[in-house]
Amino acid sequence: NAGVTQTPKFQVLKTGQSMTLQCAQDMNHNSMYWYRQDPGMGLRLIYYSASEGTTDKGEVPNGYNVSRLNKREFSLRLESAAPSQTSVYFCATNLAGGTDTQYFGPGTRLTVL
Amino acid sequence: GENVEQHPSTLSVQEGDSAVIKCTYSDSASNYFPWYKQELGKRPQLIIDIRSNVGEKKDQRIAVTLNKTAKHFSLHITETQPEDSAVYFCAAGSYGQNFVFGPGTRLSVLP
Repeated sequence: NAGVTQTPKFQVLKTGQSMTLQCAQDMNHNSMYWYRQDPGMGLRLIYYSASEGTTDKGEVPNGYNVSRLNKREFSLRLESAAPSQTSVYFCATNLAGGTDTQYFGPGTRLTVL
Repeated sequence: GENVEQHPSTLSVQEGDSAVIKCTYSDSASNYFPWYKQELGKRPQLIIDIRSNVGEKKDQRIAVTLNKTAKHFSLHITETQPEDSAVYFCAAGSYGQNFVFGPGTRLSVLP
């Protein structure tokens, strides 16, 4: 089992470009999450999907959109990248909500010039 | 909403000594408290967790204690080793509410 996978591992964008970060899990989990991690800021929730077909905003959703394509896949889209979106992005999954272990993907390191 | 504070932000200990990291939370409804370890350039990984019906949990050199009344929980690492050097995150969550993570503690174990 691969667990939680993310693509790409690294990406450099110019301001204004768009891109989609992909996340897939084979753990049969219901809930999926996108976090960003900036130095000294810990993990901040961007968007989450409690179950297939639902998505909700987290703490820092501005500038992002998400799609829960099916139970396995949850993508994060930057429509017009800004330097403030330079960060490491982690996808995570768990069975449900805030009472179950979250498993993280390996992360995507994004730089916006 | 929930707010999680974590102290200290950095911690240096001599190899073999103990390390303690403390977290406080604000929402009395929170009932699940995981701890994650993140090595440099890697993903966060769960090392131990505790639920609100338990006061203490141990796993070899790692233990977590929970004080529901005071709304704080702590990570204890005994006999520290160089491979314990990492950033540690606490989090608080409850049914129907997502995790809120603390800002992290950078632990350095000095040889």
